[in-house]
Amino acid sequence: QKEVEQNSGPLSVPEGAIASLNCTYSDRGSQSFFWYRQYSGKSPELIMFIYSNGDKEDGRFTAQLNKASQYVSLLIRDSQPSDSATYLCANGNTGKLIFGQGTTLQVKP
Amino acid sequence: DGGITQSPKYLFRKEGQNVTLSCEQNLNHDAMYWYRQDPGQGLRLIYYSQIVNDFQKGDIAEGYSVSREKKESFPLTVTSAQKNPTAFYLCASALDLGPTYEQYFGPGTRLTVT
Repeated sequence: QKEVEQNSGPLSVPEGAIASLNCTYSDRGSQSFFWYRQYSGKSPELIMFIYSNGDKEDGRFTAQLNKASQYVSLLIRDSQPSDSATYLCANGNTGKLIFGQGTTLQVKP
Repeated sequence: DGGITQSPKYLFRKEGQNVTLSCEQNLNHDAMYWYRQDPGQGLRLIYYSQIVNDFQKGDIAEGYSVSREKKESFPLTVTSAQKNPTAFYLCASALDLGPTYEQYFGPGTRLTVT
């Protein structure tokens, strides 16, 4: 069974700090990785995707991929209370996404 | 506005009844998906479709059925055979089926069966 693992949290950080969210995956054939943000009671919203080893930056968000270690992370700089949500990691292979259970982030003012 | 719509937002049914959840997209996407989410868990794939009149089972297809008669529509029927139907159901679409195509989600339908 191909799996994606995330620490369910909650991860608590103070406002303005860097939040680091981590994800490991078992399928070495995974070609793509996605981070979704899900507010309570709402549907997931795509915030980042990464296909190549290394870092990808978009505003306050940086996704990091290390295929050798089967590890992908999401860094949120200058965390805001509005970033408080559950972050879902997913990897893709043949068009089917495998999701982790999500990490709940709490940003405290 | 382009997007994915799901209706209704909340649905209540009695055990033993079939129920159909609607999903429509006007993004001109070929691929469409149905997921189920239970509290505190990630999403699990029920069915997906790449083209009209063709669809594939996902990881938890038992007790569900779908149709894809039009490119923009992908309704999901939750049958009475589904043992634990109460969940949050999410429809998604992507430009095409493939690992590098981003999936975008509709607002979801919360189904409660008693």
